[in-house]
Amino acid sequence: DAKTTQPPSMDCAEGRAANLPCNHSTISGNEYVYWYRQIHSQGPQYIIHGLKNNETNEMASLIITEDRKSSTLILPHATLRDTAVYYCIVRVSGNTGKLIFGQGTTLQVKP
Amino acid sequence: GAVVSQHPSRVICKSGTSVKIECRSLDFQATTMFWYRQFPKQSLMLMATSNEGSKATYEQGVEKDKFLINHASLTLSTLTVTSAHPEDSSFYICSAGPDGHLEAFFGQGTRLTVV
Repeated sequence: DAKTTQPPSMDCAEGRAANLPCNHSTISGNEYVYWYRQIHSQGPQYIIHGLKNNETNEMASLIITEDRKSSTLILPHATLRDTAVYYCIVRVSGNTGKLIFGQGTTLQVKP
Repeated sequence: GAVVSQHPSRVICKSGTSVKIECRSLDFQATTMFWYRQFPKQSLMLMATSNEGSKATYEQGVEKDKFLINHASLTLSTLTVTSAHPEDSSFYICSAGPDGHLEAFFGQGTRLTVV
């Protein structure tokens, strides 16, 4: 599975959009981009995933560049409850959930 | 999304004893489940893949005789930490995903403290 690079930390003002970048320059054509987040002392929570096209759900939007070497997770209106560690993971699809976690980005949403 | 439940959420045990942690998929069947370990201020580290009806697959450096995994049914995997020592104190998390789906869902984690 391809390696990802994320900034270690970011701040965001409450109510503003949070844009979390991820570089995955060695991604293969059959690898998906997944985003999870982990709120302190809880298990990770699935946010969104995509292959080529941009994706949106009730939690966030995922923007993948045309060359697929990077992506951005967008939380449109960040709240204090969005403070968490956000993990960007790339992996081949399949009916398994084997995920290799990097260090992630600690997002601090401030009032 | 699908629900994965772990039990217990917290456990304190004496050094030398064994502790069993359960991971259940509540509303789907999972032929494969995964066990992770997370030390304070670190990321999750995959320990092993639990396979229903067959032996677990362990990641490099994980002692299979110390971390016993049993996946006896399509909805339950157990992790037993045998002869626990203080260095085994950690946050243990399981995950699973419905067969044929792309997402994986995580349990709420188990905080193990060995004293």
